Amino acid sequence: SYVLTQSPSVSVAPGKTAKITCGGNNIGSKRVHWYQLKPGLAPVLVIYFDSDRPSGIPERFSGSNSGDTATLTISRVEAGDEADYYCQMWDSSSDHVVFGGGTKLTVL
Amino acid sequence: QVTLKESGPVLVKPTETLTLTCTVSGFSLSNARMGVSWIRQPPGKALEWLAHIFSNDEKSYNTSLKSRLAISKDTSKSQVVLTMTSMDPVDTATYYCARIKGINYYYGMDVWGQGTTVTVSS
Repeated sequence: SYVLTQSPSVSVAPGKTAKITCGGNNIGSKRVHWYQLKPGLAPVLVIYFDSDRPSGIPERFSGSNSGDTATLTISRVEAGDEADYYCQMWDSSSDHVVFGGGTKLTVL
Repeated sequence: QVTLKESGPVLVKPTETLTLTCTVSGFSLSNARMGVSWIRQPPGKALEWLAHIFSNDEKSYNTSLKSRLAISKDTSKSQVVLTMTSMDPVDTATYYCARIKGINYYYGMDVWGQGTTVTVSS
């Protein structure tokens, strides 16, 4: 089955740029989505189809996907961005939703 | 406004069957190319997809849990129901339902419920 690999944690100072990666075999050929999870709140879709932003998501959030790595980039990081971030794709070969292991973003 | 809300027992005993209901509003379960997915997150662990059902009644299950899961929908009630048999303490988790946009999750899961926490303990 397809595996998505994320670093467990990323730390960044306020105002700086955070890059959260999601690795997978030829992931650039898949459609990758990103979710933000905060305790006690409903998860939020922050990027869909590699790089598109749902309405209401700040322009500071962007995504890219090429080769074996998809990346979520958060520019001008704010304290409110502190959360767990998960990448996700649909594996058509197994008819399975696949999630990465999640990355905890800490704002220093 | 699209909303999803999970409901079900807070506590179940080992070996019992869990029944969770996802009540949706703001869209119809008969909308083409839309569906509802169930996902869970055990304490301190990653998200795990469980199952989905689409408007055309197409269903799919996590292979590792397939023998224990059943998903169905009642369009007239705007509800999607997930049952999981033979509950075990390792099934303790927060269970979420989410709306799927597009066949094969083309646009991801755009709206999620807040989740419901289920504890499995005797």
